[in-house]
Amino acid sequence: DIQMTQSPSSLSASVGDRVTITCRASQSISNYLNWYQQKSGKVPKLLIYAASSLQSGVPSRFSGSGSGTDFTLTISSLQPEDFATYYCQQSYSTPLTFGGGTKVEIK
Amino acid sequence: EVQLVESGGGLVQPGESLRLSCAASGFTFSSYAMNWVRQAPGKGLEWVSYISRSSSTIYYADSVKGRITISRDNAKNSLYLQMNSLRAEDTALYFCVRDRGYYDSSGYLFYFDYWGQGTLVTVSS
Repeated sequence: DIQMTQSPSSLSASVGDRVTITCRASQSISNYLNWYQQKSGKVPKLLIYAASSLQSGVPSRFSGSGSGTDFTLTISSLQPEDFATYYCQQSYSTPLTFGGGTKVEIK
Repeated sequence: EVQLVESGGGLVQPGESLRLSCAASGFTFSSYAMNWVRQAPGKGLEWVSYISRSSSTIYYADSVKGRITISRDNAKNSLYLQMNSLRAEDTALYFCVRDRGYYDSSGYLFYFDYWGQGTLVTVSS
């Protein structure tokens, strides 16, 4: 199975900050990497698919990059509604696996 | 509007069975692969199972293989998860999830664009 490791597991940031979350795969997964946002008590929401493709309706302050084993999700200017937990997910092979999540909290 | 509505969750004892259902609307159900993803209380996301549009391809997580069966009825716009020999570690919110994936030059890229609200399964004596 492919293991997905996110870092950090949590971070504190202020509105307007640039935030970067990292996801590392235990083996190369090409660009088969997706990012989801989950707010407290809510359903996960797709942000990015295929490592860097922005899902329709997602603000352009969200971006994804990377290939192979190392990926990043960047929020260029953190907004109040962005405080949430973020998960990466590899879709290179089954079993599909998620990272452990990164909780973005208000500083 | 795409809607996925799960049902069938509840409190069961270890070793018992449960059948989850997901009613889909707002899109052509037969045109999309589907998945079940679960989330234990206070924990992260865990993919459980995948079924292709025609049910010809099915995958399971190792943690549920042999105990869980995914199925669908395209005529009824419904997805199912038959869960047998339930364990305490199966306790979770189970989401019905639409797969918007596609084939590229390297293979099939799964990604989940719509999620239901989930149905809670609690396994406890």
